[in-house]
Amino acid sequence: EVQLVDSGGGLVKPGGSLRLSCAASGFTFSSYTMNWVRQTPGKGLEWVSSISSSSSYIYYADSVKGRFTISRDNAKNSLYLQMNSLLAEDTALYYCASSTVTTMSFDYWGQGTLVTVSS
Amino acid sequence: EIVLTQSPGTLSLSPGERATLSCRASQSVSSSYLAWHQQKPGQAPRLLIYGTTNRAAGIPDRFSGSGSGTDFTLTISRLEPEDFAVYYCQQYSSSPRMYTFGQGTKLEIK
Repeated sequence: EVQLVDSGGGLVKPGGSLRLSCAASGFTFSSYTMNWVRQTPGKGLEWVSSISSSSSYIYYADSVKGRFTISRDNAKNSLYLQMNSLLAEDTALYYCASSTVTTMSFDYWGQGTLVTVSS
Repeated sequence: EIVLTQSPGTLSLSPGERATLSCRASQSVSSSYLAWHQQKPGQAPRLLIYGTTNRAAGIPDRFSGSGSGTDFTLTISRLEPEDFAVYYCQQYSSSPRMYTFGQGTKLEIK
């Protein structure tokens, strides 16, 4: 069974940093592109970042470019999102999600981890 | 950036009825890159349809997708109680590489 477990969320002050993690199991993690998607009541679902299976290709939404860094450790079946210079508008539920060239979408999703940026 | 607009915002129907959800794009979307997701309260989204018409693994055949260009539709042929949820369309574009979502349609029990 495919399982993605998100962790690392919490309360952080504006300008602060946070590192999210996603632990994967039940599939060949090293063969899949991985993504972060966030959700807020106001803006809905928003794609944040993607990383190819070997980390060769990395993409970011304009809203987080230069502040967030996606990475992965295939030996540990883990995905990460380093978030720096956090803004109030980064407050959201963050999901990791896998994708394939077959679907060009988000095949499986984690349960989400909540990030709150507030003073 | 391609903007996806879903209609209606809320759809009130009874179990056994047919549901038709619409997704309109601000510019043409490749049929290969249009997907639908279902989200129930307190849960993560779940992929239903990819490539406009293909059901994801384990998705029952009462769910079907259609469309092309800028107009896409998700149809649920006979609503089951577990189908009442929020549905999102989503597209992928390669230049620039990004994914965008519609704002969602809430399917509620009438």
